[in-house]
Amino acid sequence: QVQLVQSGAEVKKPGASVKVSCKTSGYTFIAYYVYWVRQAPGQGLEWVGWINPNSGDTKYAQKFQGRVTMTRDTSTTTVYMDLSSLTSDDTAVYYCARSFPYSSSNWFDPWGQGTQVTVSS
Amino acid sequence: EIVLTQSPATLSLSPGERATLSCRASQSVGSYLGWYRQKPGQAPRLLIYDASNRATGIPARFSGSGSATDFTLTITSLEPDDFAVYYCQQRYSWPLTFGGGTRVEI
Repeated sequence: QVQLVQSGAEVKKPGASVKVSCKTSGYTFIAYYVYWVRQAPGQGLEWVGWINPNSGDTKYAQKFQGRVTMTRDTSTTTVYMDLSSLTSDDTAVYYCARSFPYSSSNWFDPWGQGTQVTVSS
Repeated sequence: EIVLTQSPATLSLSPGERATLSCRASQSVGSYLGWYRQKPGQAPRLLIYDASNRATGIPARFSGSGSATDFTLTITSLEPDDFAVYYCQQRYSWPLTFGGGTRVEI
């Protein structure tokens, strides 16, 4: 079955960077976009961006432009999200999710289990 | 950016009852609206996409309707698993945006 498994929780200091991984399995990796969505404590969902695993093309929400980089490794079917210049406002659970039902539909299913990123001095 | 407003913020119902959730868009999104359910401590799960299509494995008690700016998610008979937070999302334009959520509680 389709699975997305994310890396573990991170604690970072303000100004640092964090890199979260999302290991995919159970489908053709290059055939579906992967998205990143975050959720601050007790808050709603916020789209961060997407990556096309086939081409490596990316699109980021303007809010994160210049601070976020999404990459992929086709040999390990893993997608990465790197977020720099962290502030306390970046404290959130970060989710990866695959496109559903086709390659770039901009609906998200299934999702990874989430990675807690905490930014604290 | 398209703003999605969900109402009510909280819906208090009993198992077996019917739930009706609303999502209003700040401008037309055509039929490009979806719904997700998020149980406590879990990732969201897609229920409905393109306004009225059920995602894989979603039971028939979930249905979506609407177009342009007004959309509804209906759950015909609430089961214990359905007491959760529901989010709508649009894919009509960038950035992709979500509503603030409706909590369905017992």
